[in-house]
Amino acid sequence: DTQMTQSPSSLSASVGDRVTITCRASQNIGASLNWYRQKPGKAPELLIYAASTLQRGVPSRFSGSRSGTDFTLTINSLQPEDFATYYCQQSYGTPPHTFGQGTRVE
Amino acid sequence: QMQLQESGPRLVKPSETLSLTCSVSGGSIIGQHWNWIRHSAGKGLEWIGRVYGSGSTIYNPSLESRVTMSVDTAKNQFSLRLTSVTAADTAVYYCARDPAGYYWFDSWGQGTLVTVSS
Repeated sequence: DTQMTQSPSSLSASVGDRVTITCRASQNIGASLNWYRQKPGKAPELLIYAASTLQRGVPSRFSGSRSGTDFTLTINSLQPEDFATYYCQQSYGTPPHTFGQGTRVE
Repeated sequence: QMQLQESGPRLVKPSETLSLTCSVSGGSIIGQHWNWIRHSAGKGLEWIGRVYGSGSTIYNPSLESRVTMSVDTAKNQFSLRLTSVTAADTAVYYCARDPAGYYWFDSWGQGTLVTVSS
């Protein structure tokens, strides 16, 4: 299985900050990387798919990028609703399509 | 707007079968890909499997021997059965839609906590 390693596991930030979260794949996954935000007690919400495509309805302060097997989620101007846990998920090839362990933004 | 809602027993005894149903509203189950995903303290988020509106399935190899998924087009529902459960199967179970067949998930149910305990 492809392992997804997120960093950091948690970070502290303030409203208005720019936040960057990284996800590294253990092997080539092309651009098949998706990002989710999970607020406490809620289901995950899709933010970005295919590494850099913003899901419809998601604010433009979210962006994604890829460099080889390294993927980055950037949140520009952090908002109060963005204090949550973020997960990456690879969707390359045959299942299982694994998730990262999460990054808590507090 | 599509909405998904999980239902089923919240407590299952070890060695028994976990059964959950996901009811879909705001759209047809036909022609789309439907998934079960769980979230546990030990394993984090784990994709369990997918069922297409026609009934074809694909499962996580680590669970394949114990998992069955099916669809009921008349009720606009799809279901999960997980046999021979242990405490390791205790998790929040989510149903989710894959809009394009590429294994990203754009609509989720609220999730239901299933505890395996005697």
